[in-house]
Amino acid sequence: SAVISQKPSRDICQRGTSLTIQCQVDSQVTMMFWYRQQPGQSLTLIATANQGSEATYESGFVIDKFPISRPNLTFSTLTVSNMSPEDSSIYLCSVEGAGTGGTDEAFFGQGTRLTVV
Amino acid sequence: GENVEQHPSTLSVQEGDSAVIKCTYSDSASNYFPWYKQELGKGPQLIIDIRSNVGEKKDQRIAVTLNKTAKHFSLHITETQPEDSAVYFCAALPGGFKTIFGAGTRLFVKA
Repeated sequence: SAVISQKPSRDICQRGTSLTIQCQVDSQVTMMFWYRQQPGQSLTLIATANQGSEATYESGFVIDKFPISRPNLTFSTLTVSNMSPEDSSIYLCSVEGAGTGGTDEAFFGQGTRLTVV
Repeated sequence: GENVEQHPSTLSVQEGDSAVIKCTYSDSASNYFPWYKQELGKGPQLIIDIRSNVGEKKDQRIAVTLNKTAKHFSLHITETQPEDSAVYFCAALPGGFKTIFGAGTRLFVKA
């Protein structure tokens, strides 16, 4: 299994500013993912954070808006840049392949509830 | 790529009744089908999963069935309790990584 610490748990930000969300895992994992979940909606994958290389972004998401760092196998950050009210959402980090044997189960942080005013 | 459809979007049951949530997937290469429960203010958490070489799996009040031919899988919760109220997501993993999630079902269990 994996325990994920994500912070901040919530924030209220002014439009035009940036927020960096941190995700710390208690074990080394190859794959880390960042999701956006708008109110009442499913999880939309933003990008896959790769250690030692650039993140892989899904259609509709770009590095300039959502820069990601992955300095080691236990940590990643997602920055939401130049925020607008449309960026108000829950952001979740997730890992797969955690633990001995590399289980397929996805483990999630508790999420960051972002409100842009 | 894989596409997962989930129904219903909202489900309301009386405490003690059963709840069934259904999903379909499109990619026959998918071999892992987890179900996640998301409570308010928390990230999704795995409650049960099934692999493509198994037709049914049970864990106390929760069961999952898989029909590979029809590309259907379902979650069954028996003897529902108020604490079962949450959002449930089905998902599929088409080999490798990157879980594909359904749209979610909001389950209300009325006491």
